[in-house]
Amino acid sequence: GQNIDQPTEMTATEGAIVQINCTYQTSGFNGLFWYQQHAGEAPTFLSYNVLDGLEEKGRFSSFLSRSKGYSYLLLKELQMKDSASYLCARNNAGNMLTFGGGTRLMVKP
Amino acid sequence: GAVVSQHPSWVICKSGTSVKIECRSLDFQATTMFWYRQFPKQSLMLMATSNEGSKATYEQGVEKDKFLINHASLTLSTLTVTSAHPEDSSFYICSARELPGGQPITDTQYFGPGTRLTVL
Repeated sequence: GQNIDQPTEMTATEGAIVQINCTYQTSGFNGLFWYQQHAGEAPTFLSYNVLDGLEEKGRFSSFLSRSKGYSYLLLKELQMKDSASYLCARNNAGNMLTFGGGTRLMVKP
Repeated sequence: GAVVSQHPSWVICKSGTSVKIECRSLDFQATTMFWYRQFPKQSLMLMATSNEGSKATYEQGVEKDKFLINHASLTLSTLTVTSAHPEDSSFYICSARELPGGQPITDTQYFGPGTRLTVL
């Protein structure tokens, strides 16, 4: 299978840093997406990692280890508007996406 | 960036009726579009892959005769929920993948805003 595991919920404080982990099975893996989804809205693209390492985009960074089947999304200087679900999605052979269950992040003052 | 639209954004219908949802890529050509369904507090589940000019590929457990997909042009795919029932109430989201020159650059899927279907 292509089991993708990420925590169901996380809570963090405004201004803090939070790391959302995602693990997946490595066979047939092409790359790893992270999407942000606010309630009732469609997902919006955050990052796409193909190679090992950390990619930084402003307050958001994403890390990938292909050999370990592991990725994380790092959010710095948390803001209230960052409260959302964060979806980890695996790009499979044939360029199909399989989504994890999503992590609901609640940012508190 | 690439923009994908969906219409309608929400629809309420009676049980037994059919509902058509349109997905359009506004500023790029999409040879492949994807249809997802998302129930409350759950993640996106791929229903089918729609390829321009050919039959859609359905995921296991998705009834192709109930969820009709037509990808008639490079910018439009439609999903018709036939004989809708309350259990079909969900958030339906399409995405489109741009393949300039026949090869993906980032292989990013661009998502439409979603259609919330409520079947009474």
